[in-house]
Amino acid sequence: QVQLHESGPGQVTPSETLSLTCTVSGGSIRSSNYYWGWIRQPPEMGLEWIGSIYYSGSAYSNPSLKSRVSISVDTSKNQFSLRLSSVTAADTAVYYCARLDYYGSGTLNWGQGTLVTASS
Amino acid sequence: SSELTQDPGVSVTLGQTVTITCQGDSLRTYYASWNQQKPGQAPLLVIYDKNKRPSGIPDRFSGSSSGNTASLTITGAQAEDEAVYYCNSRTSSGNQFNWLFGGGTKLTVL
Repeated sequence: QVQLHESGPGQVTPSETLSLTCTVSGGSIRSSNYYWGWIRQPPEMGLEWIGSIYYSGSAYSNPSLKSRVSISVDTSKNQFSLRLSSVTAADTAVYYCARLDYYGSGTLNWGQGTLVTASS
Repeated sequence: SSELTQDPGVSVTLGQTVTITCQGDSLRTYYASWNQQKPGQAPLLVIYDKNKRPSGIPDRFSGSSSGNTASLTITGAQAEDEAVYYCNSRTSSGNQFNWLFGGGTKLTVL
């Protein structure tokens, strides 16, 4: 059973860059059947897709965040990463990594989530 | 439209049937999936590929789709089904893929 685990700082200073890594276990990130994605949830709010990446490095990001988002993959470590620049208080959220079906049929597996607070 | 629309809240009497809907243009092309989220927990996939259930999800959960509307039906709702349910689909525009989530429907079991 595939498991995903987010890691990174729980607090980021406003105007600086948020960096998170997702480690995948129980399956290969090189599988052609999946995208790997980042989704966030501000306190007491709904889910927002941030971006997704294929093992080849082909990536997509939410148009509303596109200029600030960078997603990368490291197949040798079975990991993928998120960088979100110029953070503000509005970026405070629980950040989830997830495995997404390649053909768009669902968000198949979720990490446990990690709370990141933008605060000085 | 690049949005998925859900009713904010729905209630159901214990043991009865409830349907939660999700509307959006992307659903004419892509199937919806449904995620259940309980307080303090990560979302959990309950329906994918329109009407498939992951291992361990009770068969009282089912999905369907027609036109721009996807539905999640719980037949014989249980107390443990009280949660927020999010629909999810992919959409595309030219060479850009996006993934969308609905705003969530809070299910209350009475």
